[in-house]
Amino acid sequence: DAKTTQPPSMDCAEGRAANLPCNHSTISGNEYVYWYRQIHSQGPQYIIHGLKNNETNEMASLIITEDRKSSTLILPHATLRDTAVYYCIVRVVGFQKLVFGTGTRLLVSP
Amino acid sequence: GAVVSQHPSRVICKSGTSVKIECRSLDFQATTMFWYRQFPKQSLMLMATSNEGSKATYEQGVEKDKFLINHASLTLSTLTVTSAHPEDSSFYICSATLRGMGYQETQYFGPGTRLLVL
Repeated sequence: DAKTTQPPSMDCAEGRAANLPCNHSTISGNEYVYWYRQIHSQGPQYIIHGLKNNETNEMASLIITEDRKSSTLILPHATLRDTAVYYCIVRVVGFQKLVFGTGTRLLVSP
Repeated sequence: GAVVSQHPSRVICKSGTSVKIECRSLDFQATTMFWYRQFPKQSLMLMATSNEGSKATYEQGVEKDKFLINHASLTLSTLTVTSAHPEDSSFYICSATLRGMGYQETQYFGPGTRLLVL
């Protein structure tokens, strides 16, 4: 079973920041938070992951709360091509399985 | 990022035939490869995990004699759907983890193969 909770859908205007929340209140100390997205009819795309510190790469930023019970994926300037289903997944260190939940369907509109 | 390819991208076959899907890691050696299945409007479900040179580990409820997995090298895994039936029609996606990254191994996904069994 997925160990994360995400809103089923979100809307965002093109050019604005998209902030996608994820609740993982039962996360344990050896679990990472991973974010993937899946554009329609494609395989999932890795976005970012983190343990407890905030992370940033060329695609997005990941903000993890101090208690690690929730996180937010930030797309700083959303484009129409960012329309996708975004999955937040927690994964145990050294354990390779990914368990996908239902994700958040982000719709970026002009 | 690491690139994973799948072939074919789309296949239509008759009921009772077998279909082979290839998954390749193009620019890296994969420690482990995974096979997922996704039905319309549903999330990805892990079918099996395969390591090069050893037998695949199947998830509960996945028939290992129906979904044959061969992981012949560090860059190639194949999934064969044997005696396919219409209910096997689905989107099949593979992923691979980058060798040598230790406990932070990240899974990179292929583009998927859409199977339609008539």
